[in-house]
Amino acid sequence: EAGVVQSPRYKIIEKKQPVAFWCNPISGHNTLYWYLQNLGQGPELLIRYENEEAVDDSQLPKDRFSAERLKGVDSTLKIQPAELGDSAVYLCASSSGLAGVEETQYFGPGTRLLVL
Amino acid sequence: GDSVTQMEGPVTLSEEAFLTINCTYTATGYPSLFWYVQYPGEGLQLLLKATKADDKGSNKGFEATYRKETTSFHLEKGSVQVSDSAVYFCALLGGGGSNYKLTFGKGTLLTVNP
Repeated sequence: EAGVVQSPRYKIIEKKQPVAFWCNPISGHNTLYWYLQNLGQGPELLIRYENEEAVDDSQLPKDRFSAERLKGVDSTLKIQPAELGDSAVYLCASSSGLAGVEETQYFGPGTRLLVL
Repeated sequence: GDSVTQMEGPVTLSEEAFLTINCTYTATGYPSLFWYVQYPGEGLQLLLKATKADDKGSNKGFEATYRKETTSFHLEKGSVQVSDSAVYFCALLGGGGSNYKLTFGKGTLLTVNP
C-alpha cells in the first residue's frame, strides 16, 4: 500500500514569491493534515481536513497561507508571498477518519522549503 | 494546554549500547501516546504507540510503557544499531478532549557509532 505522497521534496524560492505544496494521502483516508516543522522542533498542526471540509484551520496564518482539498482526496498548501521565516519542512499526514476513534496519523516525507 | 517534554539531545551511543530517551507529558483527559522516528531527509514514521495506562508499545526492538502515575512514556532499546541513528519524537493524541490533535516534543537526536 502506498504511503502519503508529497511533492516537491525540496523547493528554493526568493522571498515574496508564491509557492505551493501538494499532498496525496493514503488511499481511503478521509482525514488529512498539514503540519509545519521548524528546524529542531516537533511538527505543529496548520490545518486539518475531514473529506473536503477544513474542520480546524485555527493555526493557519491566513494572511499568506491557504489550503484546499477540493475533491476530498489530494490537497494543496500555498504560501503567497513567502517570507524568510517560512523556511521549514511542510509535512502532510493522513488518518482513516473514523468518527469518534483515536486515529494514528501517517506522515509523508515532507517538502523542505528554503526562502532566500 | 497539552505538552510533551523530551530529554534534550543529542544522544551519542556506541553500537549495542542500551538506549533510554525520556518523555513526560501534561494533558487533560486520557491521551494516547506515540513515538515517531525521523531518519535523515525523511518524514516521520510511527515507531510505536500505547493507548491506555500500563500498555506497552513495541516495535523493531524498541519499547515504551504508558505510565499514568508518572505521566511518562520513556523509549528504550536494549541494543542499538548504527541504523537507529535518527531523531525520535514523543507525541500525545487526544488530551484535552481532542481525538486528532497530535502534540509533539522537540525531538531527540540519536547518533549510534560503530
